[in-house]
Amino acid sequence: QKEVEQNSGPLSVPEGAIASLNCTYSDRGSQSFFWYRQYSGKSPELIMSIYSNGDKEDGRFTAQLNKASQYVSLLIRDSQPSDSATYLCAVNEGGSYIPTFGRGTSLIVHP
Amino acid sequence: EPEVTQTPSHQVTQMGQEVILRCVPISNHLYFYWYRQILGQKVEFLVSFYNNEISEKSEIFDDQFSVERPDGSNFTLKIRSTKLEDSAMYFCASSEGGGRPQHFGDGTRLSIL
Repeated sequence: QKEVEQNSGPLSVPEGAIASLNCTYSDRGSQSFFWYRQYSGKSPELIMSIYSNGDKEDGRFTAQLNKASQYVSLLIRDSQPSDSATYLCAVNEGGSYIPTFGRGTSLIVHP
Repeated sequence: EPEVTQTPSHQVTQMGQEVILRCVPISNHLYFYWYRQILGQKVEFLVSFYNNEISEKSEIFDDQFSVERPDGSNFTLKIRSTKLEDSAMYFCASSEGGGRPQHFGDGTRLSIL
């Protein structure tokens, strides 16, 4: 059974703070990891992909992958109210190229 | 920036009727997908399509569902004999290759009455 786990939240942070979103997965053979942002009533929007252990930075976003501990995280620096959304973790587990999605973490950035 | 387009944005149908949801994937993408998301729940995989055939499907994708690529640009999902529980957002996605990031369309909200 493929499992991608996220805390549903909501995670509430003040504007300008760092938001830290976490995701764990069950399959040690997973190869590809993605973070999507989903505003209410909208479609998932790709933020980052990461394939190797370590950090990957893109603007205010940093994805961190630790395959030994089977977790992937997303840091959002200088959080803005417009970052308020649900963040979905998706993992291509094992040999599949079909991502398993987590339930998402709701992020609220308050002014 | 190229995007995945889906039509219609909202479809209302009587239970038992057939619906066809349409998608135009990004032009140089080779893999196409359908997902659904019931309100308040997580994104669920339905089916993937590559090289003009289904490459993988989930348990949800039973005989009620079918997919087709009728021409070089469109990718459709047909749902026969719709049920109340088919009410959901249906998302089409495409990717350059297997395992590559998937790009989602805006979705079709399907409401079964």
